[in-house]
Amino acid sequence: DAGVIQSPRHEVTEMGQEVTLRCKPISGHDYLFWYRQTMMRGLELLIYFNNNVPIDDSGMPEDRFSAKMPNASFSTLKIQPSEPRDSAVYFCASSLLGTQYFGPGTRLLVL
Amino acid sequence: AQSVTQLDSHVSVSEGTPVLLRCNYSSSYSPSLFWYVQHPNKGLQLLLKYTSAATLVKGINGFEAEFKKSETSFHLTKPSAHMSDAAEYFCVVSVRRSNYQLIWGAGTKLIIKP
Repeated sequence: DAGVIQSPRHEVTEMGQEVTLRCKPISGHDYLFWYRQTMMRGLELLIYFNNNVPIDDSGMPEDRFSAKMPNASFSTLKIQPSEPRDSAVYFCASSLLGTQYFGPGTRLLVL
Repeated sequence: AQSVTQLDSHVSVSEGTPVLLRCNYSSSYSPSLFWYVQHPNKGLQLLLKYTSAATLVKGINGFEAEFKKSETSFHLTKPSAHMSDAAEYFCVVSVRRSNYQLIWGAGTKLIIKP
């Protein structure tokens, strides 16, 4: 199994631009989680899905952030417009029966 | 409510000596417990997990952890540290009733001295 796949691995963009992060979960997993990690705040849960349905998005910082899961094998996290304070590493994780497996992360830098 | 406390923010050991990273948890229900490791500028890797089977759990890279319900602890140990063990370690609790959300400890940075 290839594990959780995230793309791109690195993204550098300018303030105001739209950023789309992508995630392919492990096949057969029924939960998908999006996290953000920064030095200041550590690891934060942004949103999670169960069977493609968003369950809790209370961690999404503001309306500039949105996430979708159109099918069981794909999810996106979109930031529009991006701001420098969005610079972080964004992780996607998927799970079945409680054990979460993480992707390698997307390192986002907003200039 | 669930919570996790990692008792040390930093632990420094010499190569070849034992490692002990301490973790205490609080949970109203039977928890699942995990240790994850994050090497510098890398992702989060599952080291081991406890899910109500054997209380002594063996993980990757020679690490193991013991679930002690009476002490509400889940300490991580390794008999002999290696330079490649230098990383940040996270103790995590998950409860089925909470849709398997993970409650993360603050992390312990393990430093290995040559």
